[in-house]
Amino acid sequence: EAGVTQFPSHSVIEKGQTVTLRCDPISGHDNLYWYRRVMGKEIKFLLHFVKESKQDESGMPNNRFLAERTGGTYSTLKVQPAELEDSGVYFCASSPAGGVASYNEQFFGPGTRLTVL
Amino acid sequence: AQSVTQLDSQVPVFEEAPVELRCNYSSSVSVYLFWYVQYPNQGLQLLLKYLSGSTLVKGINGFEAEFNKSQTSFHLRKPSVHISDTAEYFCAVSLPSSNTGKLIFGQGTTLQVKP
Repeated sequence: EAGVTQFPSHSVIEKGQTVTLRCDPISGHDNLYWYRRVMGKEIKFLLHFVKESKQDESGMPNNRFLAERTGGTYSTLKVQPAELEDSGVYFCASSPAGGVASYNEQFFGPGTRLTVL
Repeated sequence: AQSVTQLDSQVPVFEEAPVELRCNYSSSVSVYLFWYVQYPNQGLQLLLKYLSGSTLVKGINGFEAEFNKSQTSFHLRKPSVHISDTAEYFCAVSLPSSNTGKLIFGQGTTLQVKP
């Protein structure tokens, strides 16, 4: 069974440009999460999808970030325009439906390292 | 608001020695507790979790953790480490009352196992 995959693994862009990160969750997982780790800091929650609906987007930094999950399958996270402080590692995670979301194991992808110059 | 503190950013240890990675949390409500590990170039992998019941939790790869409610701690231990345990370890909490399951992480601890 394939795990969570993320594309690209690395991205280097100039300030002001647009970048789109993609996450493919484990097949059949209804819950999809985005997290971010800025260098030297802790991993922070960005948002949570249940299927195609945003369940919680309280961690999104500002309106330059747009997340979508069309059809409840893969998800994209677009940053437009990118700023220097957006640099970091963006992780995606998924978990199955059912039970209580807060104790289901989340399966993480390897992350996308974004560098904004 | 909840927070998680991992007291050591780096822990160097020799192979076959015991190790303890410390984690303290702050919360006014009950939490679920997790330890994740990230090996180089891989995603985070669940080591173990505490939801309820016995305060001593056993996980994969010989790791265990003990929940101490009075000290709000969830320290991770292994009696004898291997070179392959070299990785970054993350302590995290989630809220049972939450409908999202979002994880709140500590800053991470890098375990460096030396031969």
